Amino acid sequence: GQQLNQSPQSMFIQEGEDVSMNCTSSSIFNTWLWYKQDPGEGPVLLIALYKAGELTSNGRLTAQFGITRKDSFLNISASIPSDVGIYFCAGHWETSGSRLTFGEGTQLTVNP
Amino acid sequence: NAGVTQTPKFRVLKTGQSMTLLCAQDMNHEYMYWYRQDPGMGLRLIHYSVGEGTTAKGEVPDGYNVSRLKKQNFLLGLESAAPSQTSVYFCASSYRLGQTNTGELFFGEGSRLTVL
Repeated sequence: GQQLNQSPQSMFIQEGEDVSMNCTSSSIFNTWLWYKQDPGEGPVLLIALYKAGELTSNGRLTAQFGITRKDSFLNISASIPSDVGIYFCAGHWETSGSRLTFGEGTQLTVNP
Repeated sequence: NAGVTQTPKFRVLKTGQSMTLLCAQDMNHEYMYWYRQDPGMGLRLIHYSVGEGTTAKGEVPDGYNVSRLKKQNFLLGLESAAPSQTSVYFCASSYRLGQTNTGELFFGEGSRLTVL
């Protein structure tokens, strides 16, 4: 099946720093999504991308759908303590029907 | 508005015991899913359903069964629990993928299962 490689696996940063994480795939996706999971909660959608090259922002978060349709990145600017959590990328492609493929996740720790 | 509700939140089982996790959603979503989350492995799809009365296998279906007798409920069963099934289980629901809001899954808070 489809696999997503998400990196880095974990990040330890100081409050105020910018963060960047990315996902790559060996196959083409039609949709890239980024979710965040707070400790003890289920994941929540942050940003959805539907077109190659699309750049979308949600507050301090910016995500891009790679031009090759095989990658995506998420940037967080001026991190704050509540950014702590696990960030997942997910992809959907035409023949996957109702299924998403999730990356392994990036564990983000923000030190005040 | 409850969204997606999972019960129970925590459970400890002995090897060989059976149990059922219940997921309920009140958003009239067509699609429902069961994932398991293990450290460093992300979310892996166990089974899913595209409508009442239909179910399908995901990536890791072995050792699990599911049923969707009502549109709002999706049950995950373990017939004979094994230590390898120790995990956090998440239920999710969504509108039909391919329409507006493609990819937005609404997740429950998770059910932590330990098999001794």
